[in-house]
Amino acid sequence: QPVLTQPPSSSASPGESARLTCTLPSDINVGSYNIYWYQQKPGSPPRYLLYYYSDSDKGQGSGVPSRFSGSKDASANTGILLISGLQSEDEADYYCMIWPSNAYVVFGGGTKLTVL
Amino acid sequence: QVQLQESGPGLVKPSETLSLTCAVSGYSISSGYYWGWIRQPPGKGLEWIGSIYHSGSTYYNPSLKSRVTISVDTSKNQFSLKLSSVTAADTAVYYCARLLSVLTWFDPWGQGTLVTVSS
Repeated sequence: QPVLTQPPSSSASPGESARLTCTLPSDINVGSYNIYWYQQKPGSPPRYLLYYYSDSDKGQGSGVPSRFSGSKDASANTGILLISGLQSEDEADYYCMIWPSNAYVVFGGGTKLTVL
Repeated sequence: QVQLQESGPGLVKPSETLSLTCAVSGYSISSGYYWGWIRQPPGKGLEWIGSIYHSGSTYYNPSLKSRVTISVDTSKNQFSLKLSSVTAADTAVYYCARLLSVLTWFDPWGQGTLVTVSS
């Protein structure tokens, strides 16, 4: 099974932007996959945020603010979740997810975002 | 509005079978969509267990496949998880969730239920 690598932690100040990464193993190309992102706050289930394939193929979850956006860095084989205009309520764990095939799902290990 | 609610024993003995049910309200399972189970050990990340289509087709995590059975009961509008031969490593919060289809996202999720494996 592929392993999606996320930094364990990240931090930024209110009003700044946070860039969370999800690196795919070298044998699978980030350009071929939808990257899904979830937010999880303590004691709550994950909440679907968005998916990103390309600038012309992306989608926002219901009620998710537009300051959450996705992108990819093909050179780093990485999916990116960008949170602009950080707010204290954005402090949470963030998980990426892909479907390596149409028969199974893989989650990243998660990044704990601290809003300083 | 679709809502999901997990239920089942909170304590299971090692080597026994963990059994959970996810009751769906606000939507008829027989109408379509896929349904899934995901777990999260305390303080750790998410792990997909498996998914099922309303017709009964199943997809399992290869690392758990030999121990997992997911089934659907359209008459009760619920789906279930059985995980056999459990060990302490299976201690986790177990979530059920809806999938629009394969290659899509899980939404919504149930609140989750903690299952502890201990004698």
